[in-house]
Amino acid sequence: EAGVAQSPRYKIIEKRQSVAFWCNPISGHATLYWYQQILGQGPKLLIQFQNNGVVDDSQLPKDRFSAERLKGVDSTLKIQPAKLEDSAVYLCASSLEQGPYEQYFGPGTRLTVT
Amino acid sequence: KQEVTQIPAALSVPEGENLVLNCSFTDSAIYNLQWFRQDPGKGLTSLLLIQSSQREQTSGRLNASLDKSSGRSTLYIAASQPGDSATYLCAVRHYGQNFVFGPGTRLSVLP
Repeated sequence: EAGVAQSPRYKIIEKRQSVAFWCNPISGHATLYWYQQILGQGPKLLIQFQNNGVVDDSQLPKDRFSAERLKGVDSTLKIQPAKLEDSAVYLCASSLEQGPYEQYFGPGTRLTVT
Repeated sequence: KQEVTQIPAALSVPEGENLVLNCSFTDSAIYNLQWFRQDPGKGLTSLLLIQSSQREQTSGRLNASLDKSSGRSTLYIAASQPGDSATYLCAVRHYGQNFVFGPGTRLSVLP
Protein backbone atom coordinates (compact mmCIF):
# COMPACT_ATOMS: atom_id res chain seq x y z
CA GLU A 1 0.00 0.00 0.00
CA ALA A 2 1.45 3.35 -1.01
CA GLY A 3 1.95 5.89 1.77
CA VAL A 4 1.22 9.61 1.87
CA ALA A 5 3.09 11.40 -0.90
CA GLN A 6 4.31 14.98 -0.69
CA SER A 7 6.22 17.29 -3.01
CA PRO A 8 8.50 19.07 -3.18
CA ARG A 9 10.73 17.73 -0.39
CA TYR A 10 12.67 20.97 -0.05
CA LYS A 11 11.98 24.56 -1.04
CA ILE A 12 13.95 27.77 -0.55
CA ILE A 13 12.26 31.08 -1.30
CA GLU A 14 12.70 34.73 -0.44
CA LYS A 15 10.29 36.53 1.84
CA ARG A 16 7.21 37.93 0.12
CA GLN A 17 7.35 35.21 -2.54
CA SER A 18 4.67 32.55 -2.87
CA VAL A 19 5.00 28.77 -2.56
CA ALA A 20 2.74 25.74 -2.94
CA PHE A 21 2.95 22.25 -1.50
CA TRP A 22 1.17 19.17 -2.77
CA CYS A 23 -0.07 16.09 -0.91
CA ASN A 24 -1.63 12.82 -2.06
CA PRO A 25 -3.11 10.79 0.81
CA ILE A 26 -3.36 7.04 1.22
CA SER A 27 -6.00 5.63 -1.08
CA GLY A 28 -9.36 5.43 0.68
CA HIS A 29 -8.48 7.92 3.41
CA ALA A 30 -11.23 10.54 3.47
CA THR A 31 -9.56 12.76 6.04
CA LEU A 32 -6.48 14.85 5.22
CA TYR A 33 -4.47 17.07 7.55
CA TRP A 34 -1.82 19.74 7.02
CA TYR A 35 0.58 20.44 9.90
CA GLN A 36 3.34 22.98 10.43
CA GLN A 37 6.36 21.81 12.44
CA ILE A 38 8.85 24.44 13.57
CA LEU A 39 12.28 23.14 14.54
CA GLY A 40 12.29 21.68 18.04
CA GLN A 41 8.50 21.68 18.38
CA GLY A 42 5.71 19.22 17.82
CA PRO A 43 3.51 19.55 14.73
CA LYS A 44 0.71 22.11 14.84
CA LEU A 45 -2.48 21.46 12.86
CA LEU A 46 -3.17 24.05 10.17
CA ILE A 47 -6.21 22.56 8.45
CA GLN A 48 -8.26 19.35 8.33
CA PHE A 49 -10.35 18.20 5.38
CA GLN A 50 -13.06 15.56 5.38
CA ASN A 51 -13.40 14.56 1.72
CA ASN A 52 -13.34 18.00 0.05
CA GLY A 53 -14.87 19.96 2.95
CA VAL A 54 -12.98 21.87 5.65
CA VAL A 55 -13.52 20.51 9.17
CA ASP A 56 -11.04 22.61 11.14
CA ASP A 57 -8.99 25.59 9.97
CA SER A 58 -8.94 27.47 13.25
CA GLN A 59 -5.12 27.71 13.33
CA LEU A 60 -4.60 28.54 9.67
CA PRO A 61 -3.30 32.10 9.14
CA LYS A 62 -5.89 32.88 6.54
CA ASP A 63 -4.38 36.22 5.51
CA ARG A 64 -1.49 34.37 3.86
CA PHE A 65 -2.22 30.63 3.90
CA SER A 66 -4.80 28.84 1.79
CA ALA A 67 -5.54 25.19 1.10
CA GLU A 68 -7.82 23.24 -1.13
CA ARG A 69 -8.75 19.64 -1.70
CA LEU A 70 -10.54 19.41 -4.99
CA LYS A 71 -12.37 16.13 -5.71
CA GLY A 72 -11.64 14.93 -2.18
CA VAL A 73 -8.31 13.31 -3.00
CA ASP A 74 -5.06 15.28 -3.27
CA SER A 75 -4.54 18.67 -1.69
CA THR A 76 -2.51 21.85 -2.13
CA LEU A 77 -1.33 24.22 0.60
CA LYS A 78 -0.24 27.70 -0.50
CA ILE A 79 1.57 30.52 1.26
CA GLN A 80 1.40 34.01 -0.23
CA PRO A 81 3.32 36.11 0.68
CA ALA A 82 5.82 34.14 2.74
CA LYS A 83 7.41 35.50 5.91
CA LEU A 84 10.64 34.49 7.61
CA GLU A 85 8.67 32.83 10.43
CA ASP A 86 7.05 30.45 7.93
CA SER A 87 10.33 28.52 7.76
CA ALA A 88 9.30 25.06 8.95
CA VAL A 89 8.50 21.55 7.84
CA TYR A 90 5.02 21.17 6.39
CA LEU A 91 3.59 17.73 7.02
CA CYS A 92 0.60 16.11 5.41
CA ALA A 93 -1.25 13.23 7.07
CA SER A 94 -4.32 11.17 6.29
CA SER A 95 -6.69 8.88 8.15
CA LEU A 96 -9.89 6.97 7.68
CA GLU A 97 -13.04 8.94 8.48
CA GLN A 98 -14.08 6.56 11.25
CA GLY A 99 -12.35 5.87 14.56
CA PRO A 100 -9.71 5.43 15.88
CA TYR A 101 -8.51 8.01 13.31
CA GLU A 102 -4.94 6.72 13.29
CA GLN A 103 -2.90 9.19 11.30
CA TYR A 104 -0.28 8.33 8.68
CA PHE A 105 2.23 10.99 7.74
CA GLY A 106 4.08 11.87 4.57
CA PRO A 107 7.81 12.74 4.49
CA GLY A 108 7.16 16.48 4.73
CA THR A 109 8.35 19.56 2.84
CA ARG A 110 11.13 21.59 4.42
CA LEU A 111 10.58 25.29 3.64
CA THR A 112 13.29 27.88 4.16
CA VAL A 113 12.34 31.53 3.78
CA THR A 114 15.32 33.91 3.41
CA LYS B 1 -7.04 24.01 26.36
CA GLN B 2 -5.09 20.76 26.21
CA GLU B 3 -1.36 21.02 26.83
CA VAL B 4 1.02 18.15 26.24
CA THR B 5 4.52 17.98 27.69
CA GLN B 6 7.26 15.42 27.31
CA ILE B 7 10.10 14.78 29.70
CA PRO B 8 13.01 14.57 29.22
CA ALA B 9 13.57 16.80 26.19
CA ALA B 10 16.66 14.78 25.30
CA LEU B 11 18.09 11.47 26.45
CA SER B 12 21.33 9.66 25.72
CA VAL B 13 21.78 6.02 26.75
CA PRO B 14 24.22 3.18 25.99
CA GLU B 15 23.03 0.39 23.76
CA GLY B 16 21.12 -2.38 25.53
CA GLU B 17 19.50 -0.24 28.20
CA ASN B 18 15.79 -0.27 28.89
CA LEU B 19 14.31 3.21 28.93
CA VAL B 20 11.10 5.11 29.58
CA LEU B 21 9.82 8.21 27.82
CA ASN B 22 7.12 10.27 29.49
CA CYS B 23 4.14 12.17 28.13
CA SER B 24 1.84 14.30 30.29
CA PHE B 25 -1.43 15.99 29.35
CA THR B 26 -3.58 18.45 31.27
CA ASP B 27 -7.10 17.37 30.22
CA SER B 28 -7.77 13.70 30.96
CA ALA B 29 -10.99 13.47 28.89
CA ILE B 30 -9.16 12.07 25.89
CA TYR B 31 -10.32 9.82 23.05
CA ASN B 32 -6.96 8.26 22.31
CA LEU B 33 -3.22 8.85 22.42
CA GLN B 34 -0.70 8.02 19.72
CA TRP B 35 3.08 7.66 19.92
CA PHE B 36 5.18 8.56 16.89
CA ARG B 37 8.80 8.33 15.89
CA GLN B 38 10.47 10.99 13.74
CA ASP B 39 13.86 10.49 12.12
CA PRO B 40 15.86 13.60 11.12
CA GLY B 41 14.45 15.16 7.96
CA LYS B 42 11.63 12.64 7.79
CA GLY B 43 7.93 12.52 8.53
CA LEU B 44 6.31 10.83 11.51
CA THR B 45 5.97 7.08 11.80
CA SER B 46 3.15 5.73 13.95
CA LEU B 47 4.36 3.39 16.71
CA LEU B 48 1.39 2.70 18.94
CA LEU B 49 -2.15 4.01 19.41
CA ILE B 50 -3.95 3.58 22.74
CA GLN B 51 -7.69 4.06 23.00
CA SER B 52 -9.05 5.74 26.14
CA SER B 53 -10.49 2.42 27.32
CA GLN B 54 -7.13 0.67 27.10
CA ARG B 55 -4.31 0.59 29.64
CA GLU B 56 -1.46 -0.40 27.36
CA GLN B 57 -0.38 -1.49 23.90
CA THR B 58 2.65 -3.51 22.86
CA SER B 59 4.56 -3.85 19.62
CA GLY B 60 7.82 -5.76 19.64
CA ARG B 61 10.23 -4.05 22.04
CA LEU B 62 7.84 -1.15 22.59
CA ASN B 63 5.19 -0.89 25.27
CA ALA B 64 2.99 2.15 25.79
CA SER B 65 0.83 2.62 28.87
CA LEU B 66 -1.95 5.08 29.57
CA ASP B 67 -3.16 6.43 32.93
CA LYS B 68 -5.94 8.87 32.12
CA SER B 69 -6.67 9.80 35.72
CA SER B 70 -3.15 11.10 36.23
CA GLY B 71 -2.84 12.50 32.70
CA ARG B 72 0.18 10.40 31.80
CA SER B 73 1.45 7.99 29.22
CA THR B 74 4.80 6.24 29.10
CA LEU B 75 6.64 4.61 26.22
CA TYR B 76 8.92 1.80 27.34
CA ILE B 77 11.69 0.69 24.98
CA ALA B 78 13.38 -2.58 25.88
CA ALA B 79 16.97 -3.44 24.99
CA SER B 80 17.61 -0.20 23.13
CA GLN B 81 19.58 -0.23 19.85
CA PRO B 82 21.39 2.53 17.92
CA GLY B 83 18.62 2.29 15.31
CA ASP B 84 16.16 3.51 17.95
CA SER B 85 17.83 6.93 17.85
CA ALA B 86 15.14 9.42 16.81
CA THR B 87 12.70 11.94 18.24
CA TYR B 88 9.65 10.41 19.92
CA LEU B 89 6.42 12.40 20.01
CA CYS B 90 3.13 11.74 21.72
CA ALA B 91 -0.16 13.19 20.50
CA VAL B 92 -3.45 13.37 22.40
CA ARG B 93 -6.88 13.46 20.84
CA HIS B 94 -10.22 14.47 22.35
CA TYR B 95 -13.62 13.39 21.12
CA GLY B 96 -14.47 15.38 18.01
CA GLN B 97 -11.19 17.23 18.06
CA ASN B 98 -7.77 16.94 16.57
CA PHE B 99 -4.41 15.84 17.89
CA VAL B 100 -2.37 18.04 20.18
CA PHE B 101 1.29 17.09 19.98
CA GLY B 102 3.97 17.24 22.62
CA PRO B 103 7.37 18.76 21.77
CA GLY B 104 9.07 15.37 21.63
CA THR B 105 11.97 13.60 23.33
CA ARG B 106 15.19 13.33 21.32
CA LEU B 107 16.75 9.92 21.98
CA SER B 108 20.33 8.94 21.22
CA VAL B 109 21.39 5.31 21.73
CA LEU B 110 25.16 5.02 21.76
CA PRO B 111 26.87 1.88 20.41
